[in-house]
Amino acid sequence: QKEVEQDPGPLSVPEGAIVSLNCTYSNSAFQYFMWYRQYSRKGPELLMYTYSSGNKEDGRFTAQVDKSSKYISLFIRDSQPSDSATYLCAMLSGGYNKLIFGAGTRLAVHP
Amino acid sequence: NAGVTQTPKFQVLKTGQSMTLQCAQDMNHNSMYWYRQDPGMGLRLIYYSASEGTTDKGEVPNGYNVSRLNKREFSLRLESAAPSQTSVYFCASLRETQYFGPGTRLLVL
Repeated sequence: QKEVEQDPGPLSVPEGAIVSLNCTYSNSAFQYFMWYRQYSRKGPELLMYTYSSGNKEDGRFTAQVDKSSKYISLFIRDSQPSDSATYLCAMLSGGYNKLIFGAGTRLAVHP
Repeated sequence: NAGVTQTPKFQVLKTGQSMTLQCAQDMNHNSMYWYRQDPGMGLRLIYYSASEGTTDKGEVPNGYNVSRLNKREFSLRLESAAPSQTSVYFCASLRETQYFGPGTRLLVL
């Protein structure tokens, strides 16, 4: 079993929809949780970063962490065609310096 | 402040040829990483360097070597390229979270 599981999609939604992207993990030592966005032929860029259970909001994006269920989510409100990208979740243990990535979910937002 | 830079952006090699991928960061981060990304496989860690002078194997180190030249630079070497090493290679550095370079697309014929 992989340490981090992420549905690869693809996920196709109409413009304006609410998008929910999810990852589950098995290692309870993970303390830091990140979401990266990767456009085609580009490097991943950090979108959201959190280290506690609960919600963190940044504009149209909300990151949610549930440590008891080992489950993290990224919500995108009022999705736009420019949100079309691959979204990768990543996690880091407190005492380590290696990020563990999910496989990435490909999202397409169509006008 | 350029962040993480990688050279070259694109390279074509013949089987058996060697090459070095260069990476540099100007954020004074201790930790640096090399990943490869293949369709459906996500990012797989090849090697990492927790600090200057140290390197460790990641998930897929076979066929690669690395050098942490100084705090800024971390290079990845393919001694004898194979078609299975056709991939996109990303370098990253870490301080609380990872910052990625733009990637090197490598095609091995």
